[in-house]
This record gives sequence, structure tokens and C-alpha cells, in this order.
Amino acid sequence: GAVVSQHPSWVICKSGTSVKIECRSLDFQATTMFWYRQFPKQSLMLMATSNEGSKATYEQGVEKDKFLINHASLTLSTLTVTSAHPEDSSFYICSARGGTSRGGDTQYFGPGTRLTVL
Amino acid sequence: AQSVAQPEDQVNVAEGNPLTVKCTYSVSGNPYLFWYVQYPNRGLQFLLKYITGDNLVKGSYGFEAEFNKSQTSFHLKKPSALVSDSALYFCAVRAPAGGKLIFGQGTELSVKP
Repeated sequence: GAVVSQHPSWVICKSGTSVKIECRSLDFQATTMFWYRQFPKQSLMLMATSNEGSKATYEQGVEKDKFLINHASLTLSTLTVTSAHPEDSSFYICSARGGTSRGGDTQYFGPGTRLTVL
Repeated sequence: AQSVAQPEDQVNVAEGNPLTVKCTYSVSGNPYLFWYVQYPNRGLQFLLKYITGDNLVKGSYGFEAEFNKSQTSFHLKKPSALVSDSALYFCAVRAPAGGKLIFGQGTELSVKP
């Protein structure tokens, strides 16, 4: 299947700093990328959807000024958590969906990034 | 509105026995249905999908799922469970017009030797 990578796999930062998480589709072009947040033993919560070259569409209740998403190319999207606070500590997972040539009806997920804000 | 329900938080199975993880859905039109598996501290791995065609879909690692339109169900099955199948399983649905994938709450599968 298609491969999606995420970096870093885990990060610890101080309160008030910003953290950037990268998501890459390694063997296909991702026309749409998604960012999710997951709390322990819970389902995934969609934060935002981004199409390459367009502004991201955020879900209700997600602060777009706090969670900056950039989808500058068909293989790379970044999530920046600005002025992070302890309540932002979570497991962040990206997902990518390609065009029809790569089974574009299927979303493939990255391995996740564990963010801990002290 | 689209929704997915996984009625069991946890399923316990003995190794070698068949397993079933249940999923029911609600969506307008013909659904796109997916199963994913998540191991601890990892992202989701795609197992299988139903878009159209045969109601019985075969996927990775010996898993299969049966689409039942009348019961709006898409249960995940495996004839013989392995200890290594122990993980968190998510069912998801998407409307054919695209858009968001809606996830169930997840079912924790525990396979004991």
C-alpha cells in the first residue's frame, strides 16, 4: 500500500514554544491531506483538511491560528502548533489521499507524532 | 448525516478461534466503507475497503469483511485469530462524493494464547 511518513515521531517542548510536524506521502501524490488528533483509547478527531495549494479547511472548534497547516506540495503537509500549552499534548496523525491512479478513494495514515508540552 | 457505530468496546478471542468485530453505518447514498487497525503508539494501517462489487471483501493479514446493505453493516472477520492481531480496530465510512472519513469509536481486540 501507499506510504505516509511523519516527522518527528515524538517531541517534547516547553509551554509557549511552537512545534512543526511534517507529513509526507512517499510514493504517491497526495491531493488531499488530513490532520487528526487522538486521545488515549479514543477515536480520531479530524482537525483540518487541506488540498495542495489551497488554504486548509478547519473543523468546528479547531483554532486555525493555533494549528497552522501548510500543504505546499503534493507530497508534503506541515502542522505547526503555535504557542503550545500542556493541553495541546496529544497524538497527532496525518493522513493522505491521492488521485485515482493511486486508489484515491483510500486514505493512508502516517505513524503519528506524540507531542508532550511541559 | 454520516455515522459509524462499533457496538463493542472490546472483543476477547482465544487464539485459533474465529473473530468478528462489528460495525454498522449510516450514510446517504452508497457508502465507501473501510477498516483500519492501530497498534499502540502507531498510526492507522489500512486493512480493506468496500466501494462496489462483491459484498465479501478480502484484505490484509487474512481479514475479510462483509457488506450487508439491508442491515447497514460491515463486520470485520478472520477465520483463525492470532495473538498478533491484538490491536485497536476502526471502522470508517465516507460518502461517495468525497469529503470526510467518519470513524467509529474503535474496538479493542484481545487475542489470548
